[in-house]
Amino acid sequence: EVQLLESGGDLVQPGGSLRLSCAASGFIFGNYAMSWVRQAPGKGLEWVSYIRGGGAVTHYADSVRGRFTFSRDNSKNTMYLHMNNLGADDTAVYYCAKCASSYGNDAFDVWGRGTLVTVSS
Amino acid sequence: DIVMTQSPDSLAVSLGERATINCRSSQSVLYSPDNHYYLAWYQQKPGQSPKLLIYWAFTRESGVPDRFSGSGSGTDFTLTISSLQAEDVAVYYCQQYYDIPWTFGQGTKVEIK
Repeated sequence: EVQLLESGGDLVQPGGSLRLSCAASGFIFGNYAMSWVRQAPGKGLEWVSYIRGGGAVTHYADSVRGRFTFSRDNSKNTMYLHMNNLGADDTAVYYCAKCASSYGNDAFDVWGRGTLVTVSS
Repeated sequence: DIVMTQSPDSLAVSLGERATINCRSSQSVLYSPDNHYYLAWYQQKPGQSPKLLIYWAFTRESGVPDRFSGSGSGTDFTLTISSLQAEDVAVYYCQQYYDIPWTFGQGTKVEIK
């Protein structure tokens, strides 16, 4: 069964940092592009970042560029989102999502359950 | 950025009746070399993560009931639930994956009348 499991969400103070992880199973992880999508409480979906299957290419939403870093370790079937200088607007459930292809211009065919990041003093 | 605008924001439909959700993109999401619309529809039930229903604007994901269908052309797309079931209560999102940043519509909440 194809699965994605996020972890690392927590309560963090404004200006703080956090690292989210997403463990994948049930498919050849390195063959697929991956993304992070977030959802603020009671709000809609917002794409955050993308990484190609090999990990060499990443893209970010303007709202997080320069603060977030997306990486992956294909040997561990795991991807990471390093988040710095967090603000209240970053409070959200963060989902990892699998792209249906390696290069990423494709729909998200598998989603994790999400991990909650709360930024508050 | 490509702006995705859904309508209506919410709708209430009787069981067994048709539900129609519209999505408009601010620019074309048709990639001419492969003649695909880079448009997907997702369903998010309360307390759950999103689930892919439709991709390439018209193709139903494996396992999705055939009462769900996608249609449209140009910059206007539609998700139709032909006969609403109780388990279809959810928020539905369209998304373009034609150009980064990939963007979602604001969501349409479907309820039972």
